[in-house]
Amino acid sequence: DQQVKQNSPSLSVQEGRISILNCDYTNSMFDYFLWYKKYPAEGPTFLISISSIKDKNEDGRFTVFLNKSAKHLSLHIVPSQPGDSAVYFCAASRNAGGTSYGKLTFGQGTILTVHP
Amino acid sequence: DGGITQSPKYLFRKEGQNVTLSCEQNLNHDAMYWYRQDPGQGLRLIYYSQIVNDFQKGDIAEGYSVSREKKESFPLTVTSAQKNPTAFYLCASSMGRDQETQYFGPGTRLLVL
Repeated sequence: DQQVKQNSPSLSVQEGRISILNCDYTNSMFDYFLWYKKYPAEGPTFLISISSIKDKNEDGRFTVFLNKSAKHLSLHIVPSQPGDSAVYFCAASRNAGGTSYGKLTFGQGTILTVHP
Repeated sequence: DGGITQSPKYLFRKEGQNVTLSCEQNLNHDAMYWYRQDPGQGLRLIYYSQIVNDFQKGDIAEGYSVSREKKESFPLTVTSAQKNPTAFYLCASSMGRDQETQYFGPGTRLLVL
């Protein structure tokens, strides 16, 4: 049962344009969402997060949008740069009352390629 | 430099053999985690530990064992009971108050001979 899904295995974008990575979830108990970025042969690194009490969180070129009614979140990268080429994972947790114990459920990942 | 180290980078296992993957962190984090990544799949949680001498099973704990004798160390043993051990294994750690923001090591790729 895949509770967090990234339906696009890959995305190709031209440098300077917007990259939009999508993620859907089925568990309505999830209330905290994160995006991680992973380069080949390295561990993932935290990128940005959003709590369910918000619908948008911005950090420089990265913005995450959350649509709770649709159980959908997206990561926007503007402008995209070749160094952004990596695998992007979305993750979700149930953090009500701070009792998630860090248990994250990850999506399958989307490979982003930004062409110069 | 603070961080998480995993060793070895590549590990080969023979049939019926137990192997242990090392994970060490000097971030002074209380919580540590082990994940498995298979091609085309996301990371799946094997075991996690919130504090020394305590750990819990994750979603796919069968065929694995862990110990947490020191705050800095969280080794994972892949036992012979794990029938499909070939995967990329990632260790992570986090602070007590922000456990979802996890810091990952570089990973160990386990291959079966």
